[in-house]
Amino acid sequence: LAKTTQPISMDSYEGQEVNITCSHNNIATNDYITWYQQFPSQGPRFIIQGYKTKVTNEVASLFIPADRKSSTLSLPRVSLSDTAVYYCLVGDLPDSWGKLQFGAGTQVVVTP
Amino acid sequence: EAQVTQNPRYLITVTGKKLTVTCSQNMNHEYMSWYRQDPGLGLRQIYYSMNVEVTDKGDVPEGYKVSRKEKRNFPLILESPSPNQTSLYFCASSSVLGNEQYFGPGTRLTVT
Repeated sequence: LAKTTQPISMDSYEGQEVNITCSHNNIATNDYITWYQQFPSQGPRFIIQGYKTKVTNEVASLFIPADRKSSTLSLPRVSLSDTAVYYCLVGDLPDSWGKLQFGAGTQVVVTP
Repeated sequence: EAQVTQNPRYLITVTGKKLTVTCSQNMNHEYMSWYRQDPGLGLRQIYYSMNVEVTDKGDVPEGYKVSRKEKRNFPLILESPSPNQTSLYFCASSSVLGNEQYFGPGTRLTVT
């Protein structure tokens, strides 16, 4: 499974856009990129998933360049409630589902 | 409501006293998994199950047992708990065709 590298933490102000980049240099052809959000003492929650180019849903966008060696989660106009840990996972779903590794994630802190 | 439930949510026990943490999902998911989360170490997978009677070790299986006799249930068993198993535990499930893991609310275990 491809190893991922994310920044440990990021700070932002309310209303700004937050972009978290995840590096996955060894991503395999069949791997998907998935992002989760976790609030303190709660289970992670699925945010978005993509394979290439751009994916957008109601809460975030995921940008994946052509070489797929990195990806960027974009959170538009963050609010205080977006303060959480964000995890980037890479794997060949569903075959590698059981072996997905969460890593340490990125702590995002949003202040007024 | 689609959900993953865990019981108990909080448990304080003593070293060596066998315990079971239950996990149940009502989404007819094939995949189920257990994670533990410790400060600075992120989420680490303990065991996972691809379907009934099919289980496999994750990254940190020592000291734990699991069983999958029914599709909806995936209990985590600590035969002889030790203080280093003090942690926050999460159960998760996913459809074989789905990309999203659904997490339970967590069980905070303290072993003294």
